[in-house]
Amino acid sequence: GAVVSQHPSRVICKSGTSVKIECRSLDFQATTMFWYRQFPKQSLMLMATSNEGSKATYEQGVEKDKFLINHASLTLSTLTVTSAHPEDSSFYICSALPLGRIAKNIQYFGAGTRLSVL
Amino acid sequence: GDSVTQMEGPVTLSEEAFLTINCTYTATGYPSLFWYVQYPGEGLQLLLKATKADDKGSNKGFEATYRKETTSFHLEKGSVQVSDSAVYFCALNRYTGNQFYFGTGTSLTVIP
Repeated sequence: GAVVSQHPSRVICKSGTSVKIECRSLDFQATTMFWYRQFPKQSLMLMATSNEGSKATYEQGVEKDKFLINHASLTLSTLTVTSAHPEDSSFYICSALPLGRIAKNIQYFGAGTRLSVL
Repeated sequence: GDSVTQMEGPVTLSEEAFLTINCTYTATGYPSLFWYVQYPGEGLQLLLKATKADDKGSNKGFEATYRKETTSFHLEKGSVQVSDSAVYFCALNRYTGNQFYFGTGTSLTVIP
C-alpha cells in the first residue's frame, strides 16, 4: 500500500532553535499534503494544507511565520517550527492525498513526530 | 462546525472480549465517516469507512454502521486479539480531498 515517511520521529531541542520535519510520499505523488497537530488527550487538529508549487493554506489561529511549510515537489513537504518554545511541544503528523486516485478522500498518514522543546 | 466526539480511553480488554468504541459526529450535509488505527510507532491506517447513511464498513473483523438518525459510527468487534492493541481514531470528511475532523483517539490494550 501507499507509504508516507515522516522524519524525524522524535526530536528534542532547545528553546529558540528551529526544527524541520519532513513528510515524503514514497511510492506515489501527492499535490496536496496536510499537517496536523495533536495536543495531549485532544484530537488531531489541522494546521495547514500544503499544495505543491504554491503557498500553504493555514487554518485560523495558526501562525504562518511560526510554522513554515514548503511543498517543493510532488513527494515532499516540510514543516519548519521556527524559534521553537516549550508551548510548541506536541505531536505533529502529516498526511498525503494521492494524485489521481479514484477514492480521493483517502489520505495516507506518516508516523508522526514528537517534538519536545526544553 | 464539524466535529467528532469519541469515547475516552484507555480501554483494556481480555482476549476474545467484545469491543465497542463509541463515536458521534456533528456535521452539515452528508459526511463520509472513517475509522483509522494507529499501531505503536506507525502512522494512521484506514481501518474502514462508510460514505452514506446505513452503509456498513467492515475490515479485519471490525464493523461500523453509519447511523444518520443518531449521528453515530460506533466501532465494534466480536472477539478482539492482542494484535488489535492500538489507538483508534474516528473521523469525518465532508468534501472529497478536504480536511478530516478527528476524534481524540481511544487507546485499546488487549491482554492475553
